[in-house]
Amino acid sequence: DSGVTQTPKHLITATGQRVTLRCSPRSGDLSVYWYQQSLDQGLQFLIQYYNGEERAKGNILERFSAQQFPDLHSELNLSSLELGDSALYFCASTPLGGLAEETQYFGPGTRLLVL
Amino acid sequence: DQQVKQNSPSLSVQEGRISILNCDYTNSMFDYFLWYKKYPAEGPTFLISISSIKDKNEDGRFTVFLNKSAKHLSLHIVPSQPGDSAVYFCAAAGGNTPLVFGKGTRLSVIA
Repeated sequence: DSGVTQTPKHLITATGQRVTLRCSPRSGDLSVYWYQQSLDQGLQFLIQYYNGEERAKGNILERFSAQQFPDLHSELNLSSLELGDSALYFCASTPLGGLAEETQYFGPGTRLLVL
Repeated sequence: DQQVKQNSPSLSVQEGRISILNCDYTNSMFDYFLWYKKYPAEGPTFLISISSIKDKNEDGRFTVFLNKSAKHLSLHIVPSQPGDSAVYFCAAAGGNTPLVFGKGTRLSVIA
């Protein structure tokens, strides 16, 4: 158990809908990262937050947004969903988020299926 | 364009033998490399890392080798055990870029 929790575990929805994925980092970790893993793809970095502020952005679509709340949990919002958004979405956390040497601790992921 | 490439989607090895997983990268700014292991229905877990100032790092049965001139790294698992069966992701970082992951190699250790 990494200490990172993600809810829900599974999500099935229809095209055009909007969903929210939730992540709680390890106790004490200030930084949260979101990744997308599509079929046969590696983990694609989406966005990083540190202590409530956006720190780095990857290939995140405009239809996707995220935020980190004062209690440090984070939410990833996916809107106008398309079939291609079906993927595993992982959240990871680190204590500081500024160093590559920091080990990222991953949650179990949310599997999203868009029908 | 993939900056981190794991060209073997899968690998089968007999229990007790050596497993060698390979990874190539293209970005010269990368200076820190990691391997993560992932079991089904779980998130990736950190396995071992190496800084570009080293060419080898060992942790028990796991050794990572880095060849900077070839932009190549490899993970050796000796001896391989059935519990090592998982997907292994190579990742790289550097130049203030977030971690870049390869697509993974599925290792099957056969008893």
